[in-house]
Amino acid sequence: EAQVTQNPRYLITVTGKKLTVTCSQNMNHEYMSWYRQDPGLGLRQIYYSMNVEVTDKGDVPEGYKVSRKEKRNFPLILESPSPNQTSLYFCASSLIAGAPDTQYFGPGTRLTVL
Amino acid sequence: AQSVAQPEDQVNVAEGNPLTVKCTYSVSGNPYLFWYVQYPNRGLQFLLKYITGDNLVKGSYGFEAEFNKSQPSFHLKKPSALVSDSALYFCAVNHGGSQGNLIFGKGTKLSVKP
Repeated sequence: EAQVTQNPRYLITVTGKKLTVTCSQNMNHEYMSWYRQDPGLGLRQIYYSMNVEVTDKGDVPEGYKVSRKEKRNFPLILESPSPNQTSLYFCASSLIAGAPDTQYFGPGTRLTVL
Repeated sequence: AQSVAQPEDQVNVAEGNPLTVKCTYSVSGNPYLFWYVQYPNRGLQFLLKYITGDNLVKGSYGFEAEFNKSQPSFHLKKPSALVSDSALYFCAVNHGGSQGNLIFGKGTKLSVKP
């Protein structure tokens, strides 16, 4: 089944403890992206990747890192999480970065930073 | 600046009645418009998109949307609502930049009562 998977689905952590949220897609998509969803704000892009070893900042990149060593994986890294990073995170992918292409979303990771 | 507005936080409809979820946007150039649906504790699911051509776009689960360049708007519609349509609906626009960034509205909660 074609899908985007994320792990973990739920995570509670404490301020300053490094964490990684994994994202993987099995559709051979070139483009991958991370969004965060906050009430009343919709979804906002954190980082994106056009292809392997190519990443760039989205609209709200502060406090986050990403890497794209393999085409299928795009982990989101929080080196020193803070409470304002408590949010619902979505990974998405599309075949290419072209505007008409549909982005497919993972199930989400709900992160709570205490 | 690119923006998407969903003017209603919540829409309430009786089962069997037609429904409309509104979306307006402000984007330079030719936009590519999307609707996604989010069911509780699930990721975003793609419903439909407008790229070019016929202004009336048909999508999944009986939904359709009408592109109106002059307003400009991309309202989501369904002739006969189901209780199972109750969910959070997001309108999004991709203006064609290489970032591939989907700009989302804040979401509209649709509640369909029996």
